[in-house]
Amino acid sequence: EVQLVESGGGLVQPGGSLRLSCAASGFTFSSYWMHWVRQAPGKGLVCVSGINSDGSSTRYADSVKGRFTISRDNAKNTLYLQMNSLRAEDTAVYYCARETYSNYYWFFDLWGRGTLVTVSS
Amino acid sequence: DIQMTQSPSSLSASVGDRVTITCRASQSISSSLNWYQQKAGKAPKLLIYAASSLQSGVPSRFSGSGSGTDFTLTISSLQPEDFATYYCQQSYSTPRTFGQGTKLEIK
Repeated sequence: EVQLVESGGGLVQPGGSLRLSCAASGFTFSSYWMHWVRQAPGKGLVCVSGINSDGSSTRYADSVKGRFTISRDNAKNTLYLQMNSLRAEDTAVYYCARETYSNYYWFFDLWGRGTLVTVSS
Repeated sequence: DIQMTQSPSSLSASVGDRVTITCRASQSISSSLNWYQQKAGKAPKLLIYAASSLQSGVPSRFSGSGSGTDFTLTISSLQPEDFATYYCQQSYSTPRTFGQGTKLEIK
């Protein structure tokens, strides 16, 4: 089955760290750009970070730059998000998403179910 | 970053109604515009990509149009399962950005 499964969320104190994982199955993981998208409670979708197929290129939203690091292990079919110096405003459901393209137009065609990160003392 | 603005933010409609949601980009994005549906507690689901291409498996009552800065998502005849929140997203440049969402509610 083609799927993405996130894990690693939980409750963390402000200033703490957390590492999210996204396990991919059913497709050739190493061929795709992958992204982390978050959704704060009751709010909209925000792209946090993206990484190209071989891990050589990464992107970050300004709000997380310098604090979050995206990476991937193509041998393990797994995407990661290392989150440091966490703040209350990082509280959200974090989704991993696969990006693909058709005729040069890009879109997120596969999403995981998400993992909840709560930053609170 | 490219800003995406959807209207309306919320919408009440009845089963069988025709509904249109609009999305405006802060600069031209050609046809690099996608639409997603999200139901409560669930991950987003791709409906439309490249402004007007229907994702496989999505009912034909969903359609998209537009190019440049102005886009629309139309649901031709609302079904009970269509009540959800809809997001547009630009994929013209990074970071990918989403509209704020349109919540479609039952009248």
